[in-house]
Amino acid sequence: QKEVEQNSGPLSVPEGAIASLNCTYSDRGSQSFFWYRQYSGKSPELIMSIYSNGDKEDGRFTAQLNKASQYVSLLIRDSQPSDSATYLCAVNGEGSSNTGKLIFGQGTTLQVKP
Amino acid sequence: EPEVTQTPSHQVTQMGQEVILRCVPISNHLYFYWYRQILGQKVEFLVSFYNNEISEKSEIFDDQFSVERPDGSNFTLKIRSTKLEDSAMYFCASSQWGGELFFGEGSRLTVL
Repeated sequence: QKEVEQNSGPLSVPEGAIASLNCTYSDRGSQSFFWYRQYSGKSPELIMSIYSNGDKEDGRFTAQLNKASQYVSLLIRDSQPSDSATYLCAVNGEGSSNTGKLIFGQGTTLQVKP
Repeated sequence: EPEVTQTPSHQVTQMGQEVILRCVPISNHLYFYWYRQILGQKVEFLVSFYNNEISEKSEIFDDQFSVERPDGSNFTLKIRSTKLEDSAMYFCASSQWGGELFFGEGSRLTVL
């Protein structure tokens, strides 16, 4: 059973701080990794994708991937109250790279306090 | 910005009834998906569709479920005989190349 694990939180950070969200996955053959943001009652919104080891930066967001440790993280710099949401880690597995089947984690709830 | 649209936003049905959920994927996307999320639980894959056929489906996607692309724009999910446990938010998604998925706003299904 392929699994994606996240700490459900809540993770509480003050406004302006760095929020660090973590995710581990079980399928060593996974090739594609995604972070989605989901506001309560809304659909997942794609924030970042990462496919190779290392860091990928996009504005205030940095995704980090370490395939050897089967670990992917998301850093949010200068956190804003509007960043308060649930962050979903999603992974596609070996054999699913061309079908788009994603396995989602439970999500980490982030609370940014003004 | 192009988006995936879904209808209805909310459907209430009686157990045993048939339900059709509709989606219009992003126009130049080739891969289409249905996912669902039971309240408080993970987003779960149901089915992927490419080149007018199912490319992968989960254990959840049993004989009660079917998908169809009846024309060049719509993508539908049919549940033949709904059960209480089918109550969930159903998300349609599309992708240009089978990588990054973009989700619609969802259709909330309530089975009574």
